Amino acid sequence: DTEVTQTPKHLVMGMTNKKSLKCEQHMGHRAMYWYKQKAKKPPELMFVYSYEKLSINESVPSRFSPECPNSSLLNLHLHALQPEDSALYLCASSPLQRELGHEQFFGPGTRLTVL
Amino acid sequence: AQSVTQLDSHVSVSEGTPVLLRCNYSSSYSPSLFWYVQHPNKGLQLLLKYTSAATLVKGINGFEAEFKKSETSFHLTKPSAHMSDAAEYFCVVGGSNYKLTFGKGTLLTVNP
Repeated sequence: DTEVTQTPKHLVMGMTNKKSLKCEQHMGHRAMYWYKQKAKKPPELMFVYSYEKLSINESVPSRFSPECPNSSLLNLHLHALQPEDSALYLCASSPLQRELGHEQFFGPGTRLTVL
Repeated sequence: AQSVTQLDSHVSVSEGTPVLLRCNYSSSYSPSLFWYVQHPNKGLQLLLKYTSAATLVKGINGFEAEFKKSETSFHLTKPSAHMSDAAEYFCVVGGSNYKLTFGKGTLLTVNP
């Protein structure tokens, strides 16, 4: 299985809602990532997990809360979002190797709209 | 520190003609370089990667790229464009701490 899956595909939420995005991979990768992508822009890194521990937080607001329950799953919990948080949220995974520049495998994304 | 410059924000070609998407990079060490493609409202798909083996890299769907250290370039080419190639293309440099540095993207339009 060489696929990263994400659910849901689309999500519409109000500013007071709490929702979660889910990501799963079964490639045995021990690094997993959340990205945010606005229209016509490259993805922006939000979080990196390695060996199920948070290793990078790119100064993301606390209304985004990541969680890595096990080596195959990655969640992004959302609470009190703002309309400017509307974007495509991409999950990715990669193997942990000594060499630099790890190829990342991306999921199809969740299109989030905050009303 | 590393950076990526995609020299064209938009490239338009006719179906059946060659494609050239240009990318220059800057890196303080021998880089890993990637080209990813993104179709509308989809995730990113890896087209090809350079990781210090052969300088001419062949990828999926007939794409290839040549790593030129002296020119710090990693241009993406395809001999004959197909309508299905219309998409956004990102040139990416791999770095330490598992971070990728993305170029701003090149939108490829293929005209019938």
